[in-house]
Amino acid sequence: DVKVTQSSRYLVKRTGEKVFLECVQDMDHENMFWYRQDPGLGLRLIYFSYDVKMKEKGDIPEGYSVSREKKERFSLILESASTNQTSMYLCASINPGTAGSNQPQHFGDGTRLSIL
Amino acid sequence: KQEVTQIPAALSVPEGENLVLNCSFTDSAIYNLQWFRQDPGKGLTSLLLIQSSQREQTSGRLNASLDKSSGRSTLYIAASQPGDSATYLCAVHDYKLSFGAGTTVTVRA
Repeated sequence: DVKVTQSSRYLVKRTGEKVFLECVQDMDHENMFWYRQDPGLGLRLIYFSYDVKMKEKGDIPEGYSVSREKKERFSLILESASTNQTSMYLCASINPGTAGSNQPQHFGDGTRLSIL
Repeated sequence: KQEVTQIPAALSVPEGENLVLNCSFTDSAIYNLQWFRQDPGKGLTSLLLIQSSQREQTSGRLNASLDKSSGRSTLYIAASQPGDSATYLCAVHDYKLSFGAGTTVTVRA
């Protein structure tokens, strides 16, 4: 079974801090994703990566950056945390194969981040 | 930009009743559509994935249909149980996954 592990389930930080959220997958997946989930808004894609050192902006990249130095690890960075970044953050991975693949995305359990 | 809508936002049914969850999307140029389950405070678990060339997928009590031309998918859960209580999310995959806001289901014992 694919395992996607997020380093923290709950995190409390202060405004202005630099925050790191870590995600590790154990199935050698090529693509990794960071989403945030907010009530009434569903999941929104922040950034994704399809290879080591490669990254693409999603729908809401402002205020975030990412790092993918190794295939199994994808880090989300809040450069200067603000209260509107309080949210549930979810990491996912997939080995997409060809377009139209039947491979599902696998998700971690999420990190609930509060910025005070 | 792909827009995904799920109706209703919440649903409460007695145990044993069949569940029907709806998902609509605006751009039919998709690779596939996935249905996920999310329990409170947890991540997402993939339930079913329907490729764009398929009309339906089945797994146990779950059946999902896809009508790409009309931009609709329906998830059917037969003979609901209290353990089916969760939020169900649909997501369409074009070059990325776009999610609906989910339907929160409560099955009353």
